[in-house]
Amino acid sequence: DIQMTQSPSSLSASIGDRVTITCRASQDIRNDLGWYQQKPGKAPERLIYAASSLQSGVPSRFSGSGSGTEFTLTISSLQPEDFATYYCGQQNTYPLTFGGGTKVEIK
Amino acid sequence: QVQLQQRGAGLLKPSETLALTCVVSGGPFSDYYWTWIRQSPEEGLEWIGEIDHTGSTTYNPSLASRVTMSVDPPTSQFSLQLTSVTAADTAIYFCARRDHRKSTLGHWGQGTLVSVSS
Repeated sequence: DIQMTQSPSSLSASIGDRVTITCRASQDIRNDLGWYQQKPGKAPERLIYAASSLQSGVPSRFSGSGSGTEFTLTISSLQPEDFATYYCGQQNTYPLTFGGGTKVEIK
Repeated sequence: QVQLQQRGAGLLKPSETLALTCVVSGGPFSDYYWTWIRQSPEEGLEWIGEIDHTGSTTYNPSLASRVTMSVDPPTSQFSLQLTSVTAADTAIYFCARRDHRKSTLGHWGQGTLVSVSS
C-alpha cells in the first residue's frame, strides 16, 4: 500500500495567518491526490483535486501544489471557519489511502 | 445537487454482519465509482472498497475476505456488507462517489456510526 505521511499532525494558528500542510507519498502518485476538510461530526469535504485544482465553491485562499511524492496545501489567510482537520488522499493506486490528518486549532 | 443518504444498523454484536445502504439522489447513477470508507481514531480514514454501476468491485485486500458490495441501478442504491465483525470494526462508515478511476471523492454521505459490542 502507498503510505501517505502528513505533517504536522496539529498546529495552532491565528486568524489571518498563512498555513502550510505537507503530505508525502511513499511512491510516485503523479498528481492523483486530493485534499479534504473535515469538521467535527461531519463528513470530509473535497477542497482540492488533481493536487492543485480548486473544487468549485471553495474559497481561493485554499491552494494545492506538488506532484510525484511531495504535496502541499496552503491556506493564505486563515479564517474562523477554517479551523478543522485536513486530510490528503491518493487515488493513484489501489487501495486508496489517506494521510493521518492535520488538526488546525486556534492560537 | 447530488446527495448520498446512508441507512443501516449502528449497533452490532461480535460475529454479526454489518449491512449499510447508500441511496443516491439528485444526479445520475451510471458511470461513477461508488465507494465505502470508514474512520476510527485508531486507523484514521480507511478505504474499504468500491463498486461501479455494472457491479464490478475492487476491495481493500485488508478487508476483502469479509466484504461484499452490491449495486442496484434502478433504485440508485449501493450496499456494503461486512461479515464477522469485531470491536476493531467500530468506526464511522461513509459512502462516497468518485467520478472516474483516478478521481478524488467528490460527494459523501452523512456517515453512520457503527459500534460493535457484546
